[in-house]
Amino acid sequence: EDQVTQSPEALRLQEGESSSLNCSYTVSGLRGLFWYRQDPGKGPEFLFTLYSAGEEKEKERLKATLTKKESFLHITAPKPEDSATYLCAVQVNYGGATNKLIFGTGTLLAVQP
Amino acid sequence: GAVVSQHPSRVICKSGTSVKIECRSLDFQATTMFWYRQFPKQSLMLMATSNEGSKATYEQGVEKDKFLINHASLTLSTLTVTSAHPEDSSFYICSARISRTGLAKNIQYFGAGTRLSVL
Repeated sequence: EDQVTQSPEALRLQEGESSSLNCSYTVSGLRGLFWYRQDPGKGPEFLFTLYSAGEEKEKERLKATLTKKESFLHITAPKPEDSATYLCAVQVNYGGATNKLIFGTGTLLAVQP
Repeated sequence: GAVVSQHPSRVICKSGTSVKIECRSLDFQATTMFWYRQFPKQSLMLMATSNEGSKATYEQGVEKDKFLINHASLTLSTLTVTSAHPEDSSFYICSARISRTGLAKNIQYFGAGTRLSVL
């Protein structure tokens, strides 16, 4: 069964304290791995997409990496405005033209000043 | 770019009424739109996939007669919750995928969500 697991469930950091979020997956027919940020009461905001092992993407204080079994979202010197739930999703080809996203349960990040 | 507008953001209705939620891609065409449901402190669960001009594909366990989906154009999809009951109260989110070749077509952009409360 296709599965996406994110850890930790919650993470509390001090401003400037770097850390990493993990997304491990077991899927067949991976078409891509996506990171989204979700603020309370809002829809997910697209951050990155990674397609092959070894690929890396960066945006401001965030850097996403991908291996054959997991992805990491590294947060360097976070600020309070980085506080949000970070969602990982994998896109799987079940045949045909439609590829579904399977989401993990997210990591709730709180950055304290 | 890649803005998805969802309306309304919040709706409160009486049990037994129907509620329509709109999802529009504002600056791109979307051959495929998706509807998700999210319970508190849980992740997004895909309800259905809609392709422009064809019937929606529903996930297992989702009642197609309760959750009517129409994707009449490349920029608009609607979800109608028919005869809503308190157990239908949830956060509904739509997403749209760009009609484009190459890897960029796989990216889903999400609306801001609709909080439905059925009394």
